[in-house]
Amino acid sequence: EAGVAQSPRYKIIEKRQSVAFWCNPISGHATLYWYQQILGQGPKLLIQFQNNGVVDDSQLPKDRFSAERLKGVDSTLKIQPAKLEDSAVYLCASSFVVVRPSGRVIVHNEQFFGPGTRLTVL
Amino acid sequence: AQKVTQAQTEISVVEKEDVTLDCVYETRDTTYYLFWYKQPPSGELVFLIRRNSFDEQNEISGRYSWNFQKSTSSFNFTITASQVVDSAVYFCALSAYSGGGADGLTFGKGTHLIIQP
Repeated sequence: EAGVAQSPRYKIIEKRQSVAFWCNPISGHATLYWYQQILGQGPKLLIQFQNNGVVDDSQLPKDRFSAERLKGVDSTLKIQPAKLEDSAVYLCASSFVVVRPSGRVIVHNEQFFGPGTRLTVL
Repeated sequence: AQKVTQAQTEISVVEKEDVTLDCVYETRDTTYYLFWYKQPPSGELVFLIRRNSFDEQNEISGRYSWNFQKSTSSFNFTITASQVVDSAVYFCALSAYSGGGADGLTFGKGTHLIIQP
């Protein structure tokens, strides 16, 4: 089974430029997450999608960050314009959903992570 | 608000020694999940274990064992007979269960484990 794919693996830009990252989750995984990991820290959740809908974007800096998952499969995270403090590794993760006979959706907690995109803002 | 504290920033031991990584968490949710992830130098996060808040049984998997104590809000991880390949950053994480599904993970700052040959 293929894992979570991310591209590019590395990106160097100057401040005030724009950048976009792409993520393709594991096939069949309805839930997709974007995390930001600053050097020396644990990952921080930026946004969570369930299919193509946003579940949680409370920690996403919406003045410069945006994300979409239009067809409920792959996703794009954009930063516009970038700041020096955006230098970090951007991790994408996915997990699958179990739907009970009642129709209740249970999100499987085990998140599978991609290799990340290392962004350097100069 | 949720919080995960890993007080040990770095631990260095000699190969074959046992080592315990501490994790203390805070949450107001009654249903939640606890995790440990390993991040080797390659950078990819590797899932190790998941525990739900209703299951306080300790677990052993080979050289790895986990001690979950709800009374002290701790979920500690022990590696027995450590090996050089265990060298990595280890993260403890917490996820609440909000009824409509699981929330994203709240991670600790990680413990850098160095196993010296």
